[in-house]
Amino acid sequence: QLQLQESGPGLVKPSETLSLTCTVSGGSISSSSYYWGWIRQPPGKGLEWIGSIYYSGSTYYNPSLKSRVTISVDTSKNQFSLKLSSVTAADTAVYYCARPGGYSYGPTPLPYYDYWGQGTLVTVSS
Amino acid sequence: QSVLTQPPSVSGAPGQRVTISCTGSSSNIGAGYDVHWYQQLPGTAPKLLIYGNSNRPSGVPDRFSGSKSGTSASLAITGLQAEDEADYYCQSYDSSPVFGTGTKVTVL
Repeated sequence: QLQLQESGPGLVKPSETLSLTCTVSGGSISSSSYYWGWIRQPPGKGLEWIGSIYYSGSTYYNPSLKSRVTISVDTSKNQFSLKLSSVTAADTAVYYCARPGGYSYGPTPLPYYDYWGQGTLVTVSS
Repeated sequence: QSVLTQPPSVSGAPGQRVTISCTGSSSNIGAGYDVHWYQQLPGTAPKLLIYGNSNRPSGVPDRFSGSKSGTSASLAITGLQAEDEADYYCQSYDSSPVFGTGTKVTVL
């Protein structure tokens, strides 16, 4: 059974860079034809898609976060990572890593996320 | 603020039918993008409920159904049960994957 687990600091200072890693078990990042994603949820608020990465390193980012986001992959460790720079209190959220169960095909393939990590709360505060 | 609008809350008595709307526009749902639905129980990660507008993953009860028309989509829950009390989110595409504003379902 595929499992995803987020890890990283739970507290980040304003203006610094948030760094999280998602470790995948029960399957190989490089053997699946999916883009692995990051999604976040501020406390008491809705979900926001951050971006995704293919095992080859190809990435897609949310246009509203693109200037601050970098997603990378380490296939040797079966991990992918998120970096979000210049954070503010508005970046306080539970961060989830996720993998699609598939895609629906319209003008652009749209992933539907079937596998999720448990989420990790990152608080931005001095 | 999301481009997909959902009612903040809906409620119903056990056994009743409730529907949750997801209203978009010509740049997302109306452009031909599908809608997926997720259920999020308190303190847990979202769970896929419906994909491709109306398809249920294995294990999801047939009490849950989805539909799409024009620039909107809907999730219906029939035979409402106490365990259905949760937050529900729609998802589509508008320059990138986007989630709806979310709806809290309360079982009276």
